[in-house]
Amino acid sequence: EVQLVESGGGLVQPGGSLRLSCAGSGFIFSRYWMTWVRQAPGKGLEWVASIKKDGSEIYYMDSVKGRFTISRDNAKSSLFLQMNSLRVEDTAVYYCARTDIDKISDNWGQGTLVTVSS
Amino acid sequence: DIVMTQSPDSLAVSLGERATINCKSSQSVLYSSNNKNYLAWYQQKPGQPPKLLIYWASTRESGVPDRFSGSGSGTDFTLTITSLQAEDVAVYYCHQYYSFPITFGQGTRLEIK
Repeated sequence: EVQLVESGGGLVQPGGSLRLSCAGSGFIFSRYWMTWVRQAPGKGLEWVASIKKDGSEIYYMDSVKGRFTISRDNAKSSLFLQMNSLRVEDTAVYYCARTDIDKISDNWGQGTLVTVSS
Repeated sequence: DIVMTQSPDSLAVSLGERATINCKSSQSVLYSSNNKNYLAWYQQKPGQPPKLLIYWASTRESGVPDRFSGSGSGTDFTLTITSLQAEDVAVYYCHQYYSFPITFGQGTRLEIK
């Protein structure tokens, strides 16, 4: 069974940093792209970033470029999102998703809540 | 960026009746080299992550009941739920994976009338 478990969320002040992690199991992690998607409270889904299986291709939404860094450790079946210079508008549940070669995200974690507030 | 627009924003349908949700993309998501539409549908219930229902516009994900179907091509797509069940109450999102940035529709809230 595919499992994705996010961690690292919490309350942080504007301008602060957080590092999210996503542990994958039940599949060969190194064979898949991985994606972060977020959802602000009561709002819709917003794609944040995606990384190719070997890390050779990375894409970000415009509003997080230069502030967020997606990375992965295939040996540990783990995905990361380093978030710096956090803003109030980054407040959301952050989901990691397994993404196939065609960019279909077919399995999602339960999410981790990031709250940016003073 | 490809903008995805769903209609309606909310929908109330009686149990056993048909629900139809539309999705329009600002540009075609049909890739001519393989004739595939890079369009998916997700279902999200309260407090849960999104669940993949349909991909390639009309391919049902494994385990998804056959009352869910997707149709359309190019820029106009439809998710149809025949014979609505109580457990289908959720928010439904269309999603294009044709190009980065990947984008989602704003969501359609489906309720029981």
